[in-house]
Parts: sequence; C-alpha cells; structure tokens
Amino acid sequence: GQQVMQIPQYQHVQEGEDFTTYCNSSTTLSNIQWYKQRPGGHPVFLIQLVKSGEVKKQKRLTFQFGEAKKNSSLHITATQTTDVGTYFCAFRNTGNQFYFGTGTSLTVIP
Amino acid sequence: GAGVSQSPSNKVTEKGKDVELRCDPISGHTALYWYRQSLGQGLEFLIYFQGNSAPDKSGLPSDRFSAERTGGSVSTLTIQRTQQEDSAVYLCASRNPDRGAVTLHFGNGTRLTVT
Repeated sequence: GQQVMQIPQYQHVQEGEDFTTYCNSSTTLSNIQWYKQRPGGHPVFLIQLVKSGEVKKQKRLTFQFGEAKKNSSLHITATQTTDVGTYFCAFRNTGNQFYFGTGTSLTVIP
Repeated sequence: GAGVSQSPSNKVTEKGKDVELRCDPISGHTALYWYRQSLGQGLEFLIYFQGNSAPDKSGLPSDRFSAERTGGSVSTLTIQRTQQEDSAVYLCASRNPDRGAVTLHFGNGTRLTVT
C-alpha cells in the first residue's frame, strides 16, 4: 500500500540548535502535508505543499517539497522548548484518504 | 465553533468485551476519518466516510472492527471481542471537502486500554 517513511524516528537537540525531519515516498505524490502533535495532544495541521520544488516558511519553520515530488522536509531553525512534539508528514490520495508518515519525535533540551 | 469531540476520553475494558467509541465532527464537515495510534507509533488509517457514499473500510484491521455514521454527522467505532493488541488511542478527524478544504481537524482521541 501507499506509505511514506520518516527519518529520524527520534531527535534530541539542545535548545537553539536546528532540527530537520525528512519524509520519503517510493511513488510520486500530488501533495504533502505536515502536522504537529504535542505530547498528550492531537495532530494539528501546519501546512500543505503541492508544487515541485516548493518552499514555504512559517517563522522558524521551513518546509520543502522535492523536485521529483517524492520527498519533503521540515526544518526548524533555533529550536525552542515549545517546538517539542511529534511531526508527521501526510499525503492525500485521489480517493481522499490521508496517509501519515511514521513521525519524528522531537525533544528539546533546555 | 466547536472542534471535533470524542468520547469517552479514556476507556478501560476487559479482554473479550465490546466497546463503542463516539466521534462528533465539526458541524458541516461531511468527511470523517478514524485513525488508530499505538504508543509511540504513527497514525494508522481505519475508515473514511464521505457524505452519503459507501464508507472506505480498507483500513479496518479485522472483522471485529466496524463503524457507522448516522445522519451524516456522529460516528461510532465499534470493536467487538476486544484484544490486548487493540489498546491504542483512537483518533477521529473531520474535513469539509465541499469548500475544497485540505485540512484534517482531529479530536483529542479515546485512549483504549484492554486488560
């Protein structure tokens, strides 16, 4: 079945360091979404990318969609303790099913 | 307006018992999804409802799992003869495709523990 893989599964960083999570698919995707789930919380939508090579920024967060539309990344500059959580990529297929990646759990050490 | 509401928030049941989990989507959202999240794991797609169309049940792990959506609004996920491996957080999400919205809005989930 369709799936996306995320790496790393876990990441511990010192506050102020940068963080990147990667999402990879074996097939071309028409779109990629990113969600954040705080500890004990539910996933919250961050952004959607649809164009080849697209780059979008939200404050310290930078999202990229690969040229081949098979991979995506989320980069956080100068992490803060509020960035703690699990970051998921997801895509919506033509049947309107949403498939989620395995997630990257980010721990920020103050 | 109110977000997606799920109940109960926690459920502890004995192995072999049946459980019902409820999801009340955002008003006007015609698309409703159920996911399962095991401890420290990703989100596993279970079932998808869109309006009055037949649901997409392709993610249900066994015939012990079923779901209904009455009146195009509230949905109930039923797990019969629960097993310990069913222990997980069950998340419901809704979306308003009629406005071309691409965002899933999640509830806070039901944490199911099977003892």
